[in-house]
Amino acid sequence: QVQLVESGGGVVQPGRSLRLSCAASGFSFSDYGMHWVRQAPGKGLEWVAVTSYDATKKYYAESVKGRFTVSRDNSKNTLDLEMSSLRAEDTAVYYCAKGFNTAVATGIDSWGRGTLVTVSA
Amino acid sequence: QTVVTQEPSFSVSPGGTVTLTCGLNSGPVSPSHYPIWYQKTPGQAPRTLIYDTKTRSSGVPGRFSGSILGTKAALTIAGAQAEDESDYYCALYVGSGISMFGGGTKLTVL
Repeated sequence: QVQLVESGGGVVQPGRSLRLSCAASGFSFSDYGMHWVRQAPGKGLEWVAVTSYDATKKYYAESVKGRFTVSRDNSKNTLDLEMSSLRAEDTAVYYCAKGFNTAVATGIDSWGRGTLVTVSA
Repeated sequence: QTVVTQEPSFSVSPGGTVTLTCGLNSGPVSPSHYPIWYQKTPGQAPRTLIYDTKTRSSGVPGRFSGSILGTKAALTIAGAQAEDESDYYCALYVGSGISMFGGGTKLTVL
């Protein structure tokens, strides 16, 4: 059974940094692309970033490119999202999500329950 | 700027059939966009319903189906039930590693 558990959310001031983590279990982590998706309060889902199974390919939404960095540790079955220069509009629930296979294009198979990030002075 | 479009809201009677669509402002949606549909209920994690245009995820009832209708991806719910009242999001792969969500459709069953 796939389990994805996010952690690291909280309240952070604008301009500061925050690191989210996702602990994965129940599947062969190193065989799957992994995504981050967020949902701001009252808004829709927004795809944020993806890393390929082997971390050689990483892609980002325009809204976070240059500020966010996705990484993974296949030896520890963990996925991270380093967020810097945070803005109020980054306030959202952040979901860790598993892809269908090694590819980054085919979408999301399973989701974590999310962690809330609030950017506020 | 690439935009994925969805109807903001839709209403269906219990037992009725509804088709939600997912378009792309830059052209027709095709299987190479890997259309995928998610259900999102407030306070819960999203749930993957349909992937790769028309493949139902494990455990998803048979009343949910996906297709390409004309120039758009489509999600059809045949025999809608009260528990289907939710927000539905489509996502498309738009190239260069980038996926995009539509704005979501709020489905009311009444």
